[in-house]
Amino acid sequence: EDQVTQSPEALRLQEGESSSLNCSYTVSGLRGLFWYRQDPGKGPEFLFTLYSAGEEKEKERLKATLTKKESFLHITAPKPEDSATYLCAVQARYTDKLIFGTGTRLQVFP
Amino acid sequence: DVKVTQSSRYLVKRTGEKVFLECVQDMDHENMFWYRQDPGLGLRLIYFSYDVKMKEKGDIPEGYSVSREKKERFSLILESASTNQTSMYLCASSLNGPQETQYFGPGTRLLVL
Repeated sequence: EDQVTQSPEALRLQEGESSSLNCSYTVSGLRGLFWYRQDPGKGPEFLFTLYSAGEEKEKERLKATLTKKESFLHITAPKPEDSATYLCAVQARYTDKLIFGTGTRLQVFP
Repeated sequence: DVKVTQSSRYLVKRTGEKVFLECVQDMDHENMFWYRQDPGLGLRLIYFSYDVKMKEKGDIPEGYSVSREKKERFSLILESASTNQTSMYLCASSLNGPQETQYFGPGTRLLVL
């Protein structure tokens, strides 16, 4: 069964304290792995898509990496405005459906 | 910029009412999706559509139906709302093809009393 597990469930960081969020997955043939950011009461906002092991993508303080079993979202020197829930989703081959993890709720304190 | 809009941000309905949630996208996307999001359960797919008048059941279709009469519009219908359908409802759209990103609307928070 295709599955996505995110850890930790919640993470509290001091401003400037770098850390990583984990997304472990099992899927019958990976078509793509997606990272989204979701602010309270709003829809998910697309961040990155990763397609194959070894791939990396960056955007401002965020960097996403992918292996055959997991993806990491690295946050370098976070700011309070990075506080949000980060969602990971995978898409299996031959389908347009996404399977989502339950997210990591990140809080960054000044 | 991809834009997905949903007809209401907040909605309060009574048990047994018929509820319509509407979603419109302006990027000529073929695929459209309806999810619900509940604490601890993540996003779960209710229905999706590959084309006009086409629909496919997702993981939790019971108690819901959908309508896609035009390419840009995808409606979710709760035939007889129940309290366990209180949730955040999210619409998404994507192009039809491999590795195409889904873009989400702002969501509708539905409360069924």
